[in-house]
Amino acid sequence: GENVEQHPSTLSVQEGDSAVIKCTYSDSASNYFPWYKQELGKGPQLIIDIRSNVGEKKDQRIAVTLNKTAKHFSLHITETQPEDSAVYFCAAGQGGKLIFGQGTELSVKP
Amino acid sequence: DGGITQSPKYLFRKEGQNVTLSCEQNLNHDAMYWYRQDPGQGLRLIYYSQIVNDFQKGDIAEGYSVSREKKESFPLTVTSAQKNPTAFYLCASSIQNSPNSYEQYFGPGTRLTVT
Repeated sequence: GENVEQHPSTLSVQEGDSAVIKCTYSDSASNYFPWYKQELGKGPQLIIDIRSNVGEKKDQRIAVTLNKTAKHFSLHITETQPEDSAVYFCAAGQGGKLIFGQGTELSVKP
Repeated sequence: DGGITQSPKYLFRKEGQNVTLSCEQNLNHDAMYWYRQDPGQGLRLIYYSQIVNDFQKGDIAEGYSVSREKKESFPLTVTSAQKNPTAFYLCASSIQNSPNSYEQYFGPGTRLTVT
């Protein structure tokens, strides 16, 4: 079955710097790759996603890249702000099922 | 006000008791999911349902049961057979049979503590 590895587990950056979180997956049949942001005590919120027919997608300060050959995808956050501090999860899936990475706790220091 | 609701937010039970967690959605989504989240870990799929009166086991279904009698409701029962029931439980839903059928939207979660 699918396995998703996410790195790093914790990431600390200064406000205004960029943050990059990387994920690898094992099942080449996976064709959907979402990213979620989870604040303490709340449910995850979908922030961006990418499908296998696209290499890159951008939404304001957030971008995701996908390398299907290498089976890895990354989340890029530019101009980080303190409100970006949260746990971020990647996931890989097909047919409506998702397998999640272990999460990255991002801390943005003012 | 559309969305996914889970109740209660916090739930306490004694060991050996069954407990049912509620999940309701008014998004008219076809599919619904239950995940379990433990500290410092990702989300693990317990059960999912793509249509009313049908559901499939996820990766960690042992000790759990579900029903899907209505499109908008997908309750999860944590039975006494679940060895480590204390966790944060998340419900999600998504549209099926559309180009965006993979997008899952989550409820606020229920934190279950069993002592």
